[in-house]
Amino acid sequence: ETGVTQSPTHLIKTRGQQVTLRCSSQSGHNTVSWYQQALGQGPQFIFQYYREEENGRGNFPPRFSGLQFPNYSSELNVNALELDDSALYLCASSLVERHYGYTFGSGTRLTVV
Amino acid sequence: GESVGLHLPTLSVQEGDNSIINCAYSNSASDYFIWYKQESGKGPQFIIDIRSNMDKRQGQRVTVLLNKTVKHLSLQIAATQPGDSAVYFCAEIPYNQGGKLIFGQGTELSVKP
Repeated sequence: ETGVTQSPTHLIKTRGQQVTLRCSSQSGHNTVSWYQQALGQGPQFIFQYYREEENGRGNFPPRFSGLQFPNYSSELNVNALELDDSALYLCASSLVERHYGYTFGSGTRLTVV
Repeated sequence: GESVGLHLPTLSVQEGDNSIINCAYSNSASDYFIWYKQESGKGPQFIIDIRSNMDKRQGQRVTVLLNKTVKHLSLQIAATQPGDSAVYFCAEIPYNQGGKLIFGQGTELSVKP
């Protein structure tokens, strides 16, 4: 059974640029959630995808968007990057029927300069 | 707003001692609570969970206590080991919000040999 894998592990972008982060769900999981974790803080819910549709969203602006693919992998896209977007971005997968059973990836560390 | 907070940002214990990590939550509509352990460079790792209709649950070396009257959650680690050193987060899942996790700020546990 494979876990959740995220790529890239680290990324540096310039303010105003766009970025795409990727996540492969744990085998057998059909729901993907994305979280933003600022340094020294707890993760903050961005959104969740199920059956390729957004299924819940946190307090993040529309420039944060996502996709879920038929194989349940997912992308997080952030447009017009701001310095405050610098954070660890975590992906978590689960089964919608057991959505409490989240498995987290190790995250992508994004630095915006 | 919604928040899950922690009483202490850091906790230092001697190897072999018991550790207690506390958490206050504000959403009385939450029906599920989870403790996560996050080591440096990794995503949150599930430790133990508890439903709102319970007040205590035990795992291997860990116990979670839930006091809904004062909206308080605690994690007890018995015979703390150096490998327990990490940041610990409590998280709640509000009822009927699609499994969204609300994390607290975290407590850093340091175990001295």
